[in-house]
Amino acid sequence: KAGVTQTPRYLIKTRGQQVTLSCSPISGHRSVSWYQQTPGQGLQFLFEYFSETQRNKGNFPGRFSGRQFSNSRSEMNVSTLELGDSALYLCASSYNLIGTGELFFGEGSRLTVL
Amino acid sequence: SQQGEEDPQALSIQEGENATMNCSYKTSINNLQWYRQNSGRGLVHLILIRSNEREKHSGRLRVTLDTSKKSSSLLITASRAADTASYFCATDSSNTGKLIFGQGTTLQVKP
Repeated sequence: KAGVTQTPRYLIKTRGQQVTLSCSPISGHRSVSWYQQTPGQGLQFLFEYFSETQRNKGNFPGRFSGRQFSNSRSEMNVSTLELGDSALYLCASSYNLIGTGELFFGEGSRLTVL
Repeated sequence: SQQGEEDPQALSIQEGENATMNCSYKTSINNLQWYRQNSGRGLVHLILIRSNEREKHSGRLRVTLDTSKKSSSLLITASRAADTASYFCATDSSNTGKLIFGQGTTLQVKP
């Protein structure tokens, strides 16, 4: 069974640009959640999508958005990039809602904003 | 603010020794999970303990949960160099449905 796949693995952008990150969950999983990991703030919850609906959102500005497609694949978008958006972005999938059981994480997309 | 706080922030031990990490949280939870992360990689699920459980074992891992103190501990017995990683607790708030991670404990096991 293929694991969670995130693309791209590494990317470099400049301030003001936007970026789209992709996450393909494990087949059959309905929930995809996103996290931002930085040395200073640690792992922070961005949002969760379940059956194409955003179920929950963390404390991030509106520049951070996401969506989930009918095949459960998810994308997150960050517009008007700031230096502080440099981070490892992790996505995780699960069959049920987060918090009810094990999450399966991808390897992450490392974003550097110059 | 983070739901889960962990201590110590860093721990260095010799192979064969036991490693204990602690996690404290603030609000009522349904369950608590522990994850491991090797440097710059994704997280790997280790164990989940429900709020009505007090102790759980998985191989060399032992997790305890004290809901009255809002705390949990992860014990790794007979540690190996391959256990070198960061360990995170994660709690789901009963009210918000969000999954909140602690700051993590970085464990170094010296061969």
